[in-house]
Amino acid sequence: GQQLNQSPQSMFIQEGEDVSMNCTSSSIFNTWLWYKQDPGEGPVLLIALYKAGELTSNGRLTAQFGITRKDSFLNISASIPSDVGIYFCAGQLRAGKSTFGDGTTLTVKP
Amino acid sequence: GAGVSQTPSNKVTEKGKYVELRCDPISGHTALYWYRQSLGQGPEFLIYFQGTGAADDSGLPNDRFFAVRPEGSVSTLKIQRTERGDSAVYLCASSPTTGLATDTQYFGPGTRLTVL
Repeated sequence: GQQLNQSPQSMFIQEGEDVSMNCTSSSIFNTWLWYKQDPGEGPVLLIALYKAGELTSNGRLTAQFGITRKDSFLNISASIPSDVGIYFCAGQLRAGKSTFGDGTTLTVKP
Repeated sequence: GAGVSQTPSNKVTEKGKYVELRCDPISGHTALYWYRQSLGQGPEFLIYFQGTGAADDSGLPNDRFFAVRPEGSVSTLKIQRTERGDSAVYLCASSPTTGLATDTQYFGPGTRLTVL
């Protein structure tokens, strides 16, 4: 089946630094999604990308849908302590079923 | 308004027992999804409903797993003859329209299932 490779697995950064994480797949997706999950809660959608090459921003977050449709990246600028959590990428080939990566755990030191 | 709710929040059972996990979607949402999340991993798709019918059940791991949504609202995930490997957080999500790619899936907090 489809698998997503998400990297890095974890990041330890200083408050104010920029963060970059990415996701690659062996097969194409038609939609790329980025989620954040806090302990004891379900994932919350941050950014959705629907078109190859699309670059979308949401506040300090920017994500891109790779031109090959097999990859995506998420950047967080000027990190703050509340950015701490686990970030997941997910791809959809068709409506409904999302395939998730294994997450990037972000730790921000004040 | 109220989000997706799941009950129970925690369930501990013994190997071989039967369990039911409940999901109450956001009111008016027609699409409902079940995922399973093991420790240190991302959610793994199980099944997706549009209304009362299962539109895609390709993620159910075997015939011990079954899910229903008889009235197009609340859904129950049923696991028979539980095994230790079934231990995970079971997440439910709902989305507002009819499963279009642009739907946002809103996740509940999950049910943590532990099989002893």
